[in-house]
Amino acid sequence: DTEVTQTPKHLVMGMTNKKSLKCEQHMGHRAMYWYKQKAKKPPELMFVYSYEKLSINESVPSRFSPECPNSSLLNLHLHALQPEDSALYLCASSIGTSGGAGELFFGEGSRLTVL
Amino acid sequence: QKEVEQDPGPLSVPEGAIVSLNCTYSNSAFQYFMWYRQYSRKGPELLMYTYSSGNKEDGRFTAQVDKSSKYISLFIRDSQPSDSATYLCAMRKYGGSQGNLIFGKGTKLSVKP
Repeated sequence: DTEVTQTPKHLVMGMTNKKSLKCEQHMGHRAMYWYKQKAKKPPELMFVYSYEKLSINESVPSRFSPECPNSSLLNLHLHALQPEDSALYLCASSIGTSGGAGELFFGEGSRLTVL
Repeated sequence: QKEVEQDPGPLSVPEGAIVSLNCTYSNSAFQYFMWYRQYSRKGPELLMYTYSSGNKEDGRFTAQVDKSSKYISLFIRDSQPSDSATYLCAMRKYGGSQGNLIFGKGTKLSVKP
């Protein structure tokens, strides 16, 4: 079983809706990530949080707003999305963020459909 | 030239076969090499993680890294239908963000009973 838990597993929303994706890990990891994965494509990094601070934003549109309330939780707030934002959104965590060894553990993902 | 090249397949093999999955890369700064398995509509699951060159074995899985050739492989022995999934190679440089992985496109594997 994955130790990174994401909710909801599936989400359908309209372009005017506001929704949030949630991610939780209890491995004591201090780095958490959001990735976006389109069908038949590899995951693409969106955001990196290190010790609860945003350290990397890969030029993601402002309609995606990340939040890290504490070291175990990561949210992704969604507002005014476009149909092309439909994808599998993956949360991941690792012990640290930089330097040497550090395995990345993914959650099962939240499948988002924007109508 | 893309930083990481991986044949997307699909690759179909009979149960019990030895499977060889490969990636090539162009950036000699890559030091950490990973293989992820992703079942349909699920998140990637870390299978193997190696640092620099060499081999690593875990059960039916063996990962090889040849930095001189910029080539990594994953071998699956005695393949099972449950191994049917997409296999993604991933790599990163030392000192970079641990989340800043460069992924291959993934190879879709089907193991037929």
